Amino acid sequence: KAGVTQTPRYLIKTRGQQVTLSCSPISGHRSVSWYQQTPGQGLQFLFEYFSETQRNKGNFPGRFSGRQFSNSRSEMNVSTLELGDSALYLCASSSGGVPNTEAFFGQGTRLTVV
Amino acid sequence: SQQGEEDPQALSIQEGENATMNCSYKTSINNLQWYRQNSGRGLVHLILIRSNEREKHSGRLRVTLDTSKKSSSLLITASRAADTASYFCATARAGTASKLTFGTGTRLQVTL
Repeated sequence: KAGVTQTPRYLIKTRGQQVTLSCSPISGHRSVSWYQQTPGQGLQFLFEYFSETQRNKGNFPGRFSGRQFSNSRSEMNVSTLELGDSALYLCASSSGGVPNTEAFFGQGTRLTVV
Repeated sequence: SQQGEEDPQALSIQEGENATMNCSYKTSINNLQWYRQNSGRGLVHLILIRSNEREKHSGRLRVTLDTSKKSSSLLITASRAADTASYFCATARAGTASKLTFGTGTRLQVTL
């Protein structure tokens, strides 16, 4: 069974640009969550999508957005990039339908904003 | 913001020794999960313990959960150099099972 796939693995962008990250969950999983990891703030929850609907949202500005497609693949978009957006972005896949199910993570996308 | 703290922040042991990491959290939870992360890469799922469980084992891993103290511990027995990594606990609150709140992590160094 294939794991969670995130693309691209690395990105370098300039301040003010926008970026789109992609996540393909484990086959059969309907929930995709996104997390930001930085040295200063640690791992923080961005949002979760389940069956194409945003189900949970963290405390991030509106520049951070996402969506989920009918095949459960998800994209995350960050507009008007700031230096502070440099981080490792991780996506997690879970079945999502019942509580107490494990969340499995991809390898992450390392975003550097210059 | 972080749900809680992990203790110690860093731990250095020799191969063959046991490593114990502790996690404290702040709110009622559905479950608690432990993850390993190697050098800023993805998180590897280790174990999930439900709020009504007190102890769980998986290979060389033993996890305990004390909901009255809002704390958990991860024990790795007979550590190997390959166990060198950062370890994180993550909690899922009731009603938001897919939203994980992470601790600050413990950096484990296992030397030969």
